[in-house]
Formats: sequence, C-alpha cells, structure tokens
Amino acid sequence: GENVEQHPSTLSVQEGDSAVIKCTYSDSASNYFPWYKQELGKGPQLIIDIRSNVGEKKDQRIAVTLNKTAKHFSLHITETQPEDSAVYFCAAPSIGTSYGKLTFGQGTILTVHP
Amino acid sequence: DTAVSQTPKYLVTQMGNDKSIKCEQNLGHDTMYWYKQDSKKFLKIMFSYNNKELIINETVPNRFSPKSPDKAHLNLHINSLELGDSAVYFCASSTGSSQPQHFGDGTRLSIL
Repeated sequence: GENVEQHPSTLSVQEGDSAVIKCTYSDSASNYFPWYKQELGKGPQLIIDIRSNVGEKKDQRIAVTLNKTAKHFSLHITETQPEDSAVYFCAAPSIGTSYGKLTFGQGTILTVHP
Repeated sequence: DTAVSQTPKYLVTQMGNDKSIKCEQNLGHDTMYWYKQDSKKFLKIMFSYNNKELIINETVPNRFSPKSPDKAHLNLHINSLELGDSAVYFCASSTGSSQPQHFGDGTRLSIL
C-alpha cells in the first residue's frame, strides 16, 4: 500500500516569512495529492490539491509543487500570518486495491509568531 | 447548513461500555469514511462506504462496526470499549476515489 512521509514534524516561523512542508510517497500510480489544514478542535480542511498531470498549483499565498519522478510534493505558504498556525497534513491515495483510501502524512505543526 | 456533522462532539464513558457515533452529510456524496486520530495527531482510515456498501475495512477490531442506513449517513458502533479506543474519530465524505474529502469536526472519545 501507499506510504507517505512528511517533514518537518514542527515548523516555527516569524510572521511574513515563508513556510515549506515536504512529503514523499511510495505508490508511483498515485494521481492526486491533497493538503489539509487542521485547526484546534476542528476537522481537517482541504486547502489545496494537485493532480499528477501538473507540476505546480497556486492559490493566493499557498502553492503546491509535485515531482512525480522523485515522488515528492511540497506545500509552500508565503507571507505567513498568525492565523496560518495549525497542523498541516499531506495525503496520497492508494490506487487500485483500496478504492478512495487516502494515506496521510504524520502532520506538521506550524507556528507563526507575530 | 453544516456539510458533515457528527454527534456527539464529546463522549466520556467507562471501559466495557458500548457506544455509537453518528455522522450525516448533506453534500450528496456517494462515499463516506471513518478515521481515527490518535494523541500524536496521526490520522488513519478505519472504514469506507460507497453507496451504502463497505469498500474499505482496515485492520480494525471486530468491536467496531460501521452501519450505513443510506448514503447520507454512516454511523460507528463500538462494543466493549477499551482504554486504547480513546481518540478523536472523524467522519468524512467525498464524491469518490481521488476526490476531495470533507471532514466533520470530530468526536472526542475518552475512556475512563
């Protein structure tokens, strides 16, 4: 099955700096890579996703890049704000045997200091 | 007009009891999921249903039994609760494989 590794486990930045979180995956057939943000006491919320036919996608201050050859994808947050502080998860699907199964990374606790 | 709603939000109970968590989605999605999030925030899928049929059943003890009365509802019943069952349980839904999943706000289960 799919194995997803996420780094770093914690990330502390100053407001206005950029933050980068990286994930690797094992199933070369994976074709969909979402990123979720989880705030305290809430469920994970999708913030951006990318499909395997593109290398980069941007939405305002967040962007995701995908390198299919190396089997890794990254989340980039620019001009960070205190409200970006949360736990971020990457995920990748298992293709074929487990319909719809998403394997999540271990999570990154992002803290943005004002 | 909450998209995915779970009840209850908190559940505190004794070891050995039986409890249920309910989930409803109003997004018209065909696929629903149950996830367990442990104290280290690790999210792991437990079950998935597509149009009321079980399609994913991870290595979960038989004490956990999901039930989907219709495609908008997926409930989770847990028998003989153990200390290790303490976690946050999330329900989610999507239109299908490799599609965005929408999560509820979780049910925090604490076993005394």
